[in-house]
Amino acid sequence: DQQVKQNSPSLSVQEGRISILNCDYTNSMFDYFLWYKKYPAEGPTFLISISSIKDKNEDGRFTVFLNKSAKHLSLHIVPSQPGDSAVYFCAARDAGGTSYGKLTFGQGTILTVHP
Amino acid sequence: DTAVSQTPKYLVTQMGNDKSIKCEQNLGHDTMYWYKQDSKKFLKIMFSYNNKELIINETVPNRFSPKSPDKAHLNLHINSLELGDSAVYFCASSQEEWGTGGWDEKLFFGSGTQLSVL
Repeated sequence: DQQVKQNSPSLSVQEGRISILNCDYTNSMFDYFLWYKKYPAEGPTFLISISSIKDKNEDGRFTVFLNKSAKHLSLHIVPSQPGDSAVYFCAARDAGGTSYGKLTFGQGTILTVHP
Repeated sequence: DTAVSQTPKYLVTQMGNDKSIKCEQNLGHDTMYWYKQDSKKFLKIMFSYNNKELIINETVPNRFSPKSPDKAHLNLHINSLELGDSAVYFCASSQEEWGTGGWDEKLFFGSGTQLSVL
């Protein structure tokens, strides 16, 4: 039972264009959402987060949008750069009961930005 | 200066052996975790410790035993290794901070330990 899903295993984008990575979730107890970026042979690194009381958070080239009614979030990268090529993981925090603080991750989307 | 460091980076061993993976964080965080990335690339939580106390145990076989001698260290010991234990294991740490949207908690990950059981 995968509560966080990234349905696109990969995405290919031209440098300078927008990259949009999507994530869907099923658990209404999730209260906090994060995006992580991972390069090969390294651990995931935090990119940007959003609380469930907001619908948008922006940090430089990265913007995360949250649509709670659709249980959907997306990460926009504008403009995309070749150094953005990595695996992007969506994660959600469970605010409920004994699972408080637990992060559930999606399976990742491989982003490739072509020069 | 690495924030979350885990050793070894690669571990190749035979079925039935016992092995340990060590993790240390120098961020002063209260909470540490072990995550497993399986062959399908999902990152799944195994354990979480807060100030040396176990708070999350995600129905992991009891062959896996985490040990936290202090809040900066969380080691993972695995007994009687099986083929299915082959995966990448990530250690992480976090600290809750009050942000504009409430309590924020960002995990900082180590670079992973690739375990191969032959």
